[in-house]
Amino acid sequence: EPEVTQTPSHQVTQMGQEVILRCVPISNHLYFYWYRQILGQKVEFLVSFYNNEISEKSEIFDDQFSVERPDGSNFTLKIRSTKLEDSAMYFCASRMTGTSEAFFGQGTRLTVV
Amino acid sequence: DAKTTQPPSMDCAEGRAANLPCNHSTISGNEYVYWYRQIHSQGPQYIIHGLKNNETNEMASLIITEDRKSSTLILPHATLRDTAVYYCIVRAPGSQGNLIFGKGTKLSVKP
Repeated sequence: EPEVTQTPSHQVTQMGQEVILRCVPISNHLYFYWYRQILGQKVEFLVSFYNNEISEKSEIFDDQFSVERPDGSNFTLKIRSTKLEDSAMYFCASRMTGTSEAFFGQGTRLTVV
Repeated sequence: DAKTTQPPSMDCAEGRAANLPCNHSTISGNEYVYWYRQIHSQGPQYIIHGLKNNETNEMASLIITEDRKSSTLILPHATLRDTAVYYCIVRAPGSQGNLIFGKGTKLSVKP
């Protein structure tokens, strides 16, 4: 069964450092998403991406965040200067045009120290 | 904010049916009801979705009331591995919109 793959599974970084979280969506999907979940809290939407541009973003997704689909298969989330409060699980998801269900990866646990 | 209301927690005996309710009284005519679950801290897993007819797949059944203001997810024979947080979400199909997760229902399946 096709699946969304995320790497790394766990990343530890120092405050102020840049991090890039990577995702390989399901190959024939066209809509891509990033969500995050702070420990013990709800899953929160960050950004959606379609046709090589951001289609929607939340208030969380400020200038410190960016997304990119560099090569037609990977979908990345960059945090330019990490803060302690960026520590969370980050989930990538993808969806095929014309269907409704989104498929999620297993997440990257980001720990900012 | 989430457009659905779910009980915060439920218990179910292993092997019995788990019936998880969801209220979505403000649902629009073109919005589907989706169910996802999250086992521990894993990525949310799609279970089932429906518009107005009852739906069944290999994982669960979805019963939607005639007025569409509420629905019930049924796990026919719950196992310990079904212990998870279950999310009921409403969304229009085909849109670029994201999923808005509420707090869900923490289902504990007990031996």
